[in-house]
Amino acid sequence: EPEVTQTPSHQVTQMGQEVILRCVPISNHLYFYWYRQILGQKVEFLVSFYNNEISEKSEIFDDQFSVERPDGSNFTLKIRSTKLEDSAMYFCASSGGNQPQHFGDGTRLSIL
Amino acid sequence: SQQGEEDPQALSIQEGENATMNCSYKTSINNLQWYRQNSGRGLVHLILIRSNEREKHSGRLRVTLDTSKKSSSLLITASRAADTASYFCCGGSNYKLTFGKGTLLTVNP
Repeated sequence: EPEVTQTPSHQVTQMGQEVILRCVPISNHLYFYWYRQILGQKVEFLVSFYNNEISEKSEIFDDQFSVERPDGSNFTLKIRSTKLEDSAMYFCASSGGNQPQHFGDGTRLSIL
Repeated sequence: SQQGEEDPQALSIQEGENATMNCSYKTSINNLQWYRQNSGRGLVHLILIRSNEREKHSGRLRVTLDTSKKSSSLLITASRAADTASYFCCGGSNYKLTFGKGTLLTVNP
């Protein structure tokens, strides 16, 4: 069965540094999403992306965050200047229209 | 999308027993979905039930929906240790999932 894959599985970054999290959605999906989960807390929606633009974003998704689909297969989340509170699991998901979302296994981001 | 509130927060059972988890939501929905999250892993979609459906089955899963009470239940029959996970319900849109705290199910071998 097709999967959403995320790399790396664990990213350690110094505070203030830029980080890019990568995702390869399921190939025929058109809708892409990022969520995050701070340790011990709920999974939170960050952003949805369709037709090369952001469809919806949450309050968390401020100017430090950006998303991009640089080619036909990758979907990335960039955090420009990381803060300690950005430490979390980041999940990518994709869906084929008004269908359930398929999630990757996440990238654990640790900010030092 | 709408956040569901799952109940109980934690449930511990023996392998082979059935597990029932409940979900309540506040406003009208078009559909309701259940997801599972194994510890440290991504979420897995389990089942979607539409507002005009009352019950749906998928393997060992049975979901019910009562729109008059704004509630849903997820029943896992003949549970296995591998069913140990957190379970979440999400109502409304497929485009923005809003997760509650979930029910942490522990199935003891």
